Amino acid sequence: SQQGEEDPQALSIQEGENATMNCSYKTSINNLQWYRQNSGRGLVHLILIRSNEREKHSGRLRVTLDTSKKSSSLLITASRAADTASYFCATDAVTGGGNKLTFGTGTQLKVEL
Amino acid sequence: KAGVTQTPRYLIKTRGQQVTLSCSPISGHRSVSWYQQTPGQGLQFLFEYFSETQRNKGNFPGRFSGRQFSNSRSEMNVSTLELGDSALYLCASSFRLAPSSYNEQFFGPGTRLTVL
Repeated sequence: SQQGEEDPQALSIQEGENATMNCSYKTSINNLQWYRQNSGRGLVHLILIRSNEREKHSGRLRVTLDTSKKSSSLLITASRAADTASYFCATDAVTGGGNKLTFGTGTQLKVEL
Repeated sequence: KAGVTQTPRYLIKTRGQQVTLSCSPISGHRSVSWYQQTPGQGLQFLFEYFSETQRNKGNFPGRFSGRQFSNSRSEMNVSTLELGDSALYLCASSFRLAPSSYNEQFFGPGTRLTVL
């Protein structure tokens, strides 16, 4: 089952613009992670934010987490054509041990020149 | 460091057959997880192994099984293949000091399985 629902499902922007993707989830979590996937290939880890953190930055990426609303957002600033990919949020739930990521439905981002 | 490798990259099988997929994690990683990705169901967790023990299992039928060897390499097996098993199967490894610790996962390129 999908823990996270992502919004929007698809996003098309011009190079240089910012892209914002949102993720909502259902249960308590240990951490939330964002991944990128290019054309059905393997996933690339972007950033991990722990449940006691509210904001995290990594290069052009900014992630926020609101545990009271069970939601997170990923902001990509000054987007580039190479950022074109599918982006997934994944939650690590409080299940008593074990790495079990539950992925969202994903946002397809297209950055046009 | 070499990344996560998966073999084979592509596989075509017919209904009723069985298949074994292999995953070699990043050196030093003891946790290996498997995921199935389909257009309809998205990314779904299959199971996770840590130090040769299955620690977590997703909601898949018993036809899906796996194991992990002492060198952390892992295999997953699907028996009596069905058309709906056609998917991209992704393996991920993670550096974890203990079963209950949490870290990012590093994914392999996947094995594309087609069942005819």
